[in-house]
Amino acid sequence: QVQLVQSGAEVKKPWASVRISCKASGYTFARYRMHWVRQAPGQGLEWMGIFNPSDNSTSLAQKFQGRATLTWDTSTSTVVLTLSSLRSDDTAMYYCARVDGLVYAVFDYWGQGTLVIVSS
Amino acid sequence: DIQMTQSPSSLSASVGDRLTISCRASQSITSYLNWYQQKSGKAPKLLIYGASTLQSGVPSRFSGSGSGTDFTLTISELQPEDFATYYCQQTYSTPAFTFGGGTKVEI
Repeated sequence: QVQLVQSGAEVKKPWASVRISCKASGYTFARYRMHWVRQAPGQGLEWMGIFNPSDNSTSLAQKFQGRATLTWDTSTSTVVLTLSSLRSDDTAMYYCARVDGLVYAVFDYWGQGTLVIVSS
Repeated sequence: DIQMTQSPSSLSASVGDRLTISCRASQSITSYLNWYQQKSGKAPKLLIYGASTLQSGVPSRFSGSGSGTDFTLTISELQPEDFATYYCQQTYSTPAFTFGGGTKVEI
């Protein structure tokens, strides 16, 4: 069965960096794009970026450009989100989500989430 | 980016009620609109895609309608397990599949 398993919770100080991994299993990794979404405490869902394994390309929301990077390891079917220069408002649950659909794209499988707390 | 606006942001309801949640896009997204349900501490779950197509396994009391810029999620007869937060998402403008602000359904 399809599973997206994310790395564990992190507590970081301001200006530090955090690395969150998302390991996929149960499907062919190269066939599905992977998105990242975050959710601050009590807030809504915020789209962050996408990794497209078909051409090894990435795209990030403008607000994260220069501060976030997406990397991957096809041998382990893992995508990694790295966010640097952390601020208190980066405290959030971070999710990876697989995209499926030939006509209408849907986030059909989600990771369990990784809580990142930024605090001095 | 396309902005998605949901209303209301929260509502109180009772079991058995008929519920309607609205979602408006800042520009036409034709039918590229998904609805998700999120329960506390959990990842979102897909309910409806293509504005009106029910995801497999989702109860038929959920329905979606609309096209262009205005969309609606309806729950015909609210059940106890439906108390959650609902989000719309546009998938018209790739790759930034933006979400609405959410609607919290409370007792």
